Amino acid sequence: AQSVTQPDIHITVSEGASLELRCNYSYGATPYLFWYVQSPGQGLQLLLKYFSGDTLVQGIKGFEAEFKRSQSSFNLRKPSVHWSDAAEYFCALGGSNTGKLIFGQGTTLQVKP
Amino acid sequence: NAGVTQTPKFRILKIGQSMTLQCTQDMNHNYMYWYRQDPGMGLKLIYYSVGAGITDKGEVPNGYNVSRSTTEDFPLRLELAAPSQTSVYFCASSYSTETQYFGPGTRLLVL
Repeated sequence: AQSVTQPDIHITVSEGASLELRCNYSYGATPYLFWYVQSPGQGLQLLLKYFSGDTLVQGIKGFEAEFKRSQSSFNLRKPSVHWSDAAEYFCALGGSNTGKLIFGQGTTLQVKP
Repeated sequence: NAGVTQTPKFRILKIGQSMTLQCTQDMNHNYMYWYRQDPGMGLKLIYYSVGAGITDKGEVPNGYNVSRSTTEDFPLRLELAAPSQTSVYFCASSYSTETQYFGPGTRLLVL
């Protein structure tokens, strides 16, 4: 069965510290993987995506993610977090011919000053 | 481009009432989707459409209906509102089976 797991429901980091948000997936074929960010009361904004090719993908706002097939993971990273990065982050899995996405439960990021 | 727009932004319904959540996109996207978001649950797919006149059920379709008469519009209909339908509803669209663009959401409260 296809699924996405984000093991961390809530993460708190200090401003300027590095960040890694975890995402694990279950899928029988080559997945399409996405990270979306949702600020309070807002819709979802795409941070980055992986379809094929280079396993390290760069996104907006200084975020990057690495696809590791052997670990079924697609973790999101940022070297130095800013207070404006406080939001909820969703990992999503696609790959069907209908474009349907399966979302993880989300990780809420809190940034301490 | 306005992108994906949703109306209303917020609505309170009484149990048993009906309503239509509107979704419009101006990007000429073939694919459109409706999700609901509940706290701690991520987003669940309700219905989707791969083109005008073609719709199909997602993971949680019970209690909802959709239609797709034009490329631009993909309304979601609630016929008999129930408290379990209290949620935030997001519409999304995509040109292909890749990147989806989301609307700002409709917050629905059923009392």
